[in-house]
Amino acid sequence: EIVLTQSPGTLSLSPGERAILSCRASQTVSSNYLIWYQQKPGQPPRLLIYGASSRATGIPDRFSGSGSGTDFTLTISRLEPEDFAVYYCQQYGGSPPGTFGQGTKVEIK
Amino acid sequence: QVQLVESGGGLVKPGGSLRLSCAASGFTFSDYFMSWIRQAPGKGLEWVSYISKSGTTGYYADSVKGRFTISRDNARNSVYLQINSLRAEDTAVYYCSRGQWLPDAFDMWGQGTMVTVSS
Repeated sequence: EIVLTQSPGTLSLSPGERAILSCRASQTVSSNYLIWYQQKPGQPPRLLIYGASSRATGIPDRFSGSGSGTDFTLTISRLEPEDFAVYYCQQYGGSPPGTFGQGTKVEIK
Repeated sequence: QVQLVESGGGLVKPGGSLRLSCAASGFTFSDYFMSWIRQAPGKGLEWVSYISKSGTTGYYADSVKGRFTISRDNARNSVYLQINSLRAEDTAVYYCSRGQWLPDAFDMWGQGTMVTVSS
């Protein structure tokens, strides 16, 4: 069973700064089946990135995903006020299904 | 408009039961795997169960196996989660979600329904 570890737990940044979030897997993620979600308080998660690096429909290009194997990164090039949220990575296509990381909170400094 | 709308949550005593429902609209429901995912207050996300497109097969997290049953009605564009023998640790927001590309690639989520287990 794959375990996903996200770091840091909390990232304190100012609007306009770059955010770099990490997701490390305990085993190789098959076919780079790695998703990133954004979740704001009181809302469901929103799909940002799938296949480790493909942006979902309607996601601004300031969000980018990279990585392969066991190390993955979500980069937000310039933080907008609406980007302060919790971000989760998730491996899909594995067993058991739907393994999530514990989340990284991006907060306003 | 593509959407998922959950209902059926509430306050229930330990050992009790609830049936959650999720109504889908705006897409061809029978073309997709459907899942339930939960989130305890202030905690992360936990996949609970998914069901095949035809509804013939359900898969469950070990934490709920034997207590939860997923089902769907493609004629009604709905998926359900029967939850029995509820425990305090089942307290969470339960989200219905659609599986794109693979059963557990969740591209769409409902707003969720809260289940609180307390005496």
